[in-house]
Amino acid sequence: GENVEQHPSTLSVQEGDSAVIKCTYSDSASNYFPWYKQELGKRPQLIIDIRSNVGEKKDQRIAVTLNKTAKHFSLHITETQPEDSAVYFCAASPPHNDMRFGAGTRLTVKP
Amino acid sequence: DGGITQSPKYLFRKEGQNVTLSCEQNLNHDAMYWYRQDPGQGLRLIYYSQIVNDFQKGDIAEGYSVSREKKESFPLTVTSAQKNPTAFYLCASSLPGGGGGTGELFFGEGSRLTVL
Repeated sequence: GENVEQHPSTLSVQEGDSAVIKCTYSDSASNYFPWYKQELGKRPQLIIDIRSNVGEKKDQRIAVTLNKTAKHFSLHITETQPEDSAVYFCAASPPHNDMRFGAGTRLTVKP
Repeated sequence: DGGITQSPKYLFRKEGQNVTLSCEQNLNHDAMYWYRQDPGQGLRLIYYSQIVNDFQKGDIAEGYSVSREKKESFPLTVTSAQKNPTAFYLCASSLPGGGGGTGELFFGEGSRLTVL
């Protein structure tokens, strides 16, 4: 099955700085790459996703890039705010629906 | 109000006992999933089901069992064969995405199981 690696495991940035989280995947058949944000004690929620026919997608301060050849994708958060502090998970899914997640990145934004 | 509901939220079990976690969705989603979340290990896939009466093992299925008799329901049984069952369990559902792929996963609020 798919294997997703995520780095770094923890990330601390100053408010207003950018944050970048990187993931690699193993299954070349994977075609869907979502990012989830999980605040303390809450369920994971989708913040942005990208499909394999697109190289980059942006939504306000959040962007995701995908390099299919290298099998890696990244989350970029610009102008970070304290409310961005959470655990972020990347995931990858091949067409037969078995989505796998990375181990997570704990992002702390210091005011 | 559409959504995905897990129960119970907290559950305590003695060693050697089986326990069943409930997951119900009224989103009319075809696919449903069970993940286990442990600190520092992300979400690990236990079982998933793409359609009623069909389900597949994930990466850590040993000691767990599921059923999918109705589209809305995907209960997970943690059996006494599971060596380390204390964890946070998340259920999710999704519609198919474009091109035969997966769509967005919608998660329940989770069930925290503690084995005493």
